[in-house]
Parts: sequence; C-alpha cells; structure tokens
Amino acid sequence: EDQVTQSPEALRLQEGESSSLNCSYTVSGLRGLFWYRQDPGKGPEFLFTLYSAGEEKEKERLKATLTKKESFLHITAPKPEDSATYLCAVQAEETSGSRLTFGEGTQLTVNP
Amino acid sequence: NAGVTQTPKFQVLKTGQSMTLQCAQDMNHNSMYWYRQDPGMGLRLIYYSASEGTTDKGEVPNGYNVSRLNKREFSLRLESAAPSQTSVYFCASSVPGSWETQYFGPGTRLLVL
Repeated sequence: EDQVTQSPEALRLQEGESSSLNCSYTVSGLRGLFWYRQDPGKGPEFLFTLYSAGEEKEKERLKATLTKKESFLHITAPKPEDSATYLCAVQAEETSGSRLTFGEGTQLTVNP
Repeated sequence: NAGVTQTPKFQVLKTGQSMTLQCAQDMNHNSMYWYRQDPGMGLRLIYYSASEGTTDKGEVPNGYNVSRLNKREFSLRLESAAPSQTSVYFCASSVPGSWETQYFGPGTRLLVL
C-alpha cells in the first residue's frame, strides 16, 4: 500500500527565515511525486512534479528535491503570502487512472 | 478559461436526503476525479473516470455514485446522506499520460446533520 507522511504537521516561521518541509513516501515504484499548495477554503494548487531521484525544481522562493525515499520543499526567505498548507502526493507506476496518494499536509504560517 | 468548476459551494443536508455535486472542466481533459478531504485524513479518492464513459472506484467509494455525463462533466451523487459524509469534496481533472498533473476545483463543503 502506498503511503505518504509529511512533517512537520505545522510550521511557524518569521519572514525571511528559511526552512524545509519533508515528505516521506513508500511506493512500489514511483511514477511521480507532486507538491500542491492549498489556501484556506480553496482547492489544491499545483506546484511541482518530480519524477526521479536527484531531480530538483524551483519556483520563486520554493525549491523541491527528490530522493528515493523522500522529498523536501525548501522555502527560502519566505514571505507572509507563502502561508498555506503544502500537500505532497505520489503516483505509483502500476496505478490505473493516475491515482494519487496524498499526505496530510504541512500547515505553514509566515509571520511578518 | 475557468478551469475546474464545482457547484454548489456549500450545502447542508439532513440524514437520509440525497443530492448531486456537479463538476465541470473546460481544459479538454480526459480524466476526472472526486476526492474528499477530512481533518487528519488528507485527500482521499472516491471515484475517478479515466475517460468519457468509464468510471472506477477509488479508496472510499461506499455511499457514493458517479456519472460521467460527457467529457466536460463528472457528477457525484449521495443517495442517502449520512453524518459521516460531512466533508469537503474536491473535483479534479487531468490529461492522461504517464506523469499527468491533476488540477483541482474550489471544493464543495457539505454538512450532513
């Protein structure tokens, strides 16, 4: 059974204080790992897809990295508008219909 | 280009009532999905449709039915609502492929009393 565990559950940072969110996964064969951002009362918004260990992707203050067992979402010099819940999901190679298994998310709060 | 739209935004039902949640996408995507999101449980797949005319069960299908009306629309029906179905429901769509990305709608908040 595919499993995704995110840590920490919640993270509070000061503006400019860099940190990382963790996503550990167990999957028989990884087809892709996805990061989403979710604001309160809204649907998840796609950020990144990572396909193989060693891959990195960046978008503004966010950088996602992938190893064979986990992914990190690095947040450099965060701003209050980065406050949101960040969701990680995996898609297994044998999955039909592109099913995703999600973690419970990390709730990030960035204080000014 | 509205992306994925869902109606209604919020609904209150009494136990035993029925209702249909509507979802439509204008991105010409073939695959569509229904998830529920509950505190401490994350997003869980209810049903999905890989293409028009096909539907399959996800992780938590009990108590739900779906209809893929056409390529654009995918509805979720609760025949006899239960308090355990109180949740936020999200519809998503994607282009089929090896590494497709799912795009989500804004959600429907359902309260069953």
